[in-house]
Amino acid sequence: QITLKESGPTLVKPTQTLTLTCTFSGFSLSSTGVGVGWIRQPPGKALEWLALIYWDDDKRYSPSLKSRLTITKDTSKNQVVLTMTNMDPVDTATYYCTRSVQLGNFAYWGQGTLVTVSS
Amino acid sequence: QSVLTQPPSASGTPGQRVTISCSGSSSNIGSNYVHWYQQLPGTAPKLLIYRNNQRPSGVPDRFSGSKSGTSASLAISGLRSEEEADYYCAAWDDSLSAVVFGGGTKLTVL
Repeated sequence: QITLKESGPTLVKPTQTLTLTCTFSGFSLSSTGVGVGWIRQPPGKALEWLALIYWDDDKRYSPSLKSRLTITKDTSKNQVVLTMTNMDPVDTATYYCTRSVQLGNFAYWGQGTLVTVSS
Repeated sequence: QSVLTQPPSASGTPGQRVTISCSGSSSNIGSNYVHWYQQLPGTAPKLLIYRNNQRPSGVPDRFSGSKSGTSASLAISGLRSEEEADYYCAAWDDSLSAVVFGGGTKLTVL
C-alpha cells in the first residue's frame, strides 16, 4: 500500500523559509522511473505544480518559482524535502506531496498540509 | 491564468452524460499525454484518467477521456450526485518544461 504524508510548519512569517517533508511508504525512490513531487493549492483556487525529483536525482522545478525552490531526497529514510525561500502571504496554500511515474501523472497523493503565511 | 483552459463550471442531472473540455497548445496537449483529476470537497485530488484515456484500477468505466489535437475531454456518463466535485486536467509542457494544470471545472449535479 502506497502512502505519502506531508509534515512541516502550519504558520510561517513573511520572508522566512518554508521546509516541508514528505515521508512515504510502499515504494522506493530508487526504483527506475519513480518520482516524488509537490503541488500546492491556494484556498479556493486551482492546483499549481511546484517541483519533482526522480529516482536518478533528476530535478524539475516550476519556472515561475525555480529561484525559490529546492527539492532533495533521502532514499534511506523514504523522504523528500521541499524548501521554499522568501515566503509571502500569496504562498498560503495546501501543499501536497505526490508520487509520479510520468510527467503530469500523479497517481498517489498525501492528505496535504495547510501552510499559512502571516506575520 | 492557467496554461490549460477549462470551463469554470459544468452541470448535469443524475444519470446524464456530461463532458468537460481542456484546451491547450502544441507544446502541451498537442505533444504530451493528458491526465485528469477529481477533487471531492475537502479532499486531496485523485487521478481519474491518465495517458489521455486510461483509467486507474477502481475508476468506473463511466469515466472516459479523449484527446484530439490540442484539446482533450473528460466524459462522465450516468452521472451520480457523489461526483459533484472539481475536475482538473494536466499535462507536461515542453516549452515551459513544467507540469501545467487547467484552472479546474466545478461540476454540479442538479
